[in-house]
Amino acid sequence: DQQVKQNSPSLSVQEGRISILNCDYTNSMFDYFLWYKKYPAEGPTFLISISSIKDKNEDGRFTVFLNKSAKHLSLHIVPSQPGDSAVYFCAARIGFQKLVFGTGTRLLVSP
Amino acid sequence: DAGVIQSPRHEVTEMGQEVTLRCKPISGHNSLFWYRQTMMRGLELLIYFNNNVPIDDSGMPEDRFSAKMPNASFSTLKIQPSEPRDSAVYFCASSKDTDYGYTFGSGTRLTVV
Repeated sequence: DQQVKQNSPSLSVQEGRISILNCDYTNSMFDYFLWYKKYPAEGPTFLISISSIKDKNEDGRFTVFLNKSAKHLSLHIVPSQPGDSAVYFCAARIGFQKLVFGTGTRLLVSP
Repeated sequence: DAGVIQSPRHEVTEMGQEVTLRCKPISGHNSLFWYRQTMMRGLELLIYFNNNVPIDDSGMPEDRFSAKMPNASFSTLKIQPSEPRDSAVYFCASSKDTDYGYTFGSGTRLTVV
């Protein structure tokens, strides 16, 4: 039972355009949400997060939006750059420090 | 800070053999997590420790898998006997109680033939 779902396995975007990565969750007990970025042969690295009491958090080119009523999370990257090409994982926290991850979305930003 | 250190980076073994994966967390981090990455299921939590004590092992697939954390600076994940379906990338991560997220190691790519 996948509690955190990333329904798009891949996304292709042109450099300079917006990338939108989506994530849906089923458990209303999640209290914190995070996005991680993963390059090949490396471990995931933290990108941006949002508390369940907020609906938006911005950090430079990255913005995360949370719609609790729809149980939906999205990551916007504007403008997209070739170096953003990676696998992006959505994660949700439940209980003490336990993170539940999605299956990931592979983003390809072409020049 | 050297980050979370995992060894080996790659492991190829024959079905039925014992496999041991190792992890050294970041100094000062008191929680340690073992995850497995597969295409179908993404990153799955296998087990996590807090202050060297196993807190949640509900993700451990079956009795063939075991994990230990004998001290604050070392953990192992053992698979005995290994099977081809265990082939995956295994990640170790660590964090402090005050952190919302983890720091991951570079992973161990396990191939069981």
